[in-house]
Amino acid sequence: AQTVTQSQPEMSVQEAETVTLSCTYDTSESDYYLFWYKQPPSRQMILVIRQEAYKQQNATENRFSVNFQKAAKSFSLKISDSQLGDAAMYFCAYHHGTSGTYKYIFGTGTRLKVLA
Amino acid sequence: EADIYQTPRYLVIGTGKKITLECSQTMGHDKMYWYQQDPGMELHLIHYSYGVNSTEKGDLSSESTVSRIRTEHFPLTLESARPSHTSQYLCASSDVGAANTEAFFGQGTRLTVV
Repeated sequence: AQTVTQSQPEMSVQEAETVTLSCTYDTSESDYYLFWYKQPPSRQMILVIRQEAYKQQNATENRFSVNFQKAAKSFSLKISDSQLGDAAMYFCAYHHGTSGTYKYIFGTGTRLKVLA
Repeated sequence: EADIYQTPRYLVIGTGKKITLECSQTMGHDKMYWYQQDPGMELHLIHYSYGVNSTEKGDLSSESTVSRIRTEHFPLTLESARPSHTSQYLCASSDVGAANTEAFFGQGTRLTVV
């Protein structure tokens, strides 16, 4: 069975600095998708960035980028130039969208605090 | 605007009452999901559906039930609410394809059973 592990329950970063959130996963599949979701306090969960496993190039969305290491089964999120609005819970998620299995498997989350 | 909606946002109800949490999406997604989010913020899948008349239990056992009579609607029902059901419930949908593999989430229903 697939698993997703986020080993950092909480992280802090100074405003304008860079922070990296860690995520590891376990799967025997070769084709899958990985996501980082952001859940601000009392607000809707939204997608931050996605990575297709067949793509070697790391995904980037403005200040957000990932370091995808397929062999190591590692998928970390780097937030550059951190802003107060980045404070939220961040969830790493795995999705294997074929073979009739469409569930999303989430990690336990990392609470990010941004210090002014 | 395509979206996914949950009602109510907040619900406080007495023990033993029957409740239904509503979830609707306007994106035409086949797949829909219910997650329970505990105080530690971890997400637990309790129900999912791959289409009309398809429902499956998730990884976390739940006393709730779901139905999928229409593509856009995936309500969750608790026949007799108990304090242990107090939690946040998140509904999500997805349309697995080459370009759209993410799950879209509703704003959640925070349920308190007193």
